[in-house]
Amino acid sequence: DVKVTQSSRYLVKRTGEKVFLECVQDMDHENMFWYRQDPGLGLRLIYFSYDVKMKEKGDIPEGYSVSREKKERFSLILESASTNQTSMYLCASSPQSGAVGQYFGPGTRLTVT
Amino acid sequence: GESVGLHLPTLSVQEGDNSIINCAYSNSASDYFIWYKQESGKGPQFIIDIRSNMDKRQGQRVTVLLNKTVKHLSLQIAATQPGDSAVYFCAENIGRGGGADGLTFGKGTHLIIQP
Repeated sequence: DVKVTQSSRYLVKRTGEKVFLECVQDMDHENMFWYRQDPGLGLRLIYFSYDVKMKEKGDIPEGYSVSREKKERFSLILESASTNQTSMYLCASSPQSGAVGQYFGPGTRLTVT
Repeated sequence: GESVGLHLPTLSVQEGDNSIINCAYSNSASDYFIWYKQESGKGPQFIIDIRSNMDKRQGQRVTVLLNKTVKHLSLQIAATQPGDSAVYFCAENIGRGGGADGLTFGKGTHLIIQP
């Protein structure tokens, strides 16, 4: 089974803190993605990566950065957390061909106070 | 029961009935569509997909129909069970290039199963 794991299920941080969300996949997938999920807005793509050290902005990259130093790991960084970044964060991966859908992790619910 | 995913966020059906969840997609160039199921507290789970060169695909108890003329996608679940309770999302591939396949998601329909 494909497995995408995220470092934390729940996280509480203070405004202004630097926050790291980690994602690891074990299927040797080339593509990895970070989404946030908010009520009424659905899933929105923050950043994605199609190779090690490569990254592309998604629809809402402002306030976020990412790092892909190894193929299996994709990190989302909130440089200075703000209350409007309180959300559910979902990581996903897929093989390069896109012949199958994206596989999602369980999500990290981040609360910024 | 039938719903339009973007305009009726909740669909309630009796256990054992068939469910139909609808989705309107936006990009006529999209060539790949997926349905996901998301249970409470979990990440989305892949259910079934369909390519634009098909108009129907069947899985176990699920069928996806694609109407490219009106840019409409539906998910049919046969003999709905309590375990089918979840939010269902459609997604279209908008092909962001660079080898990565970004998806655009609908807002989801919450399927509720009545005993």
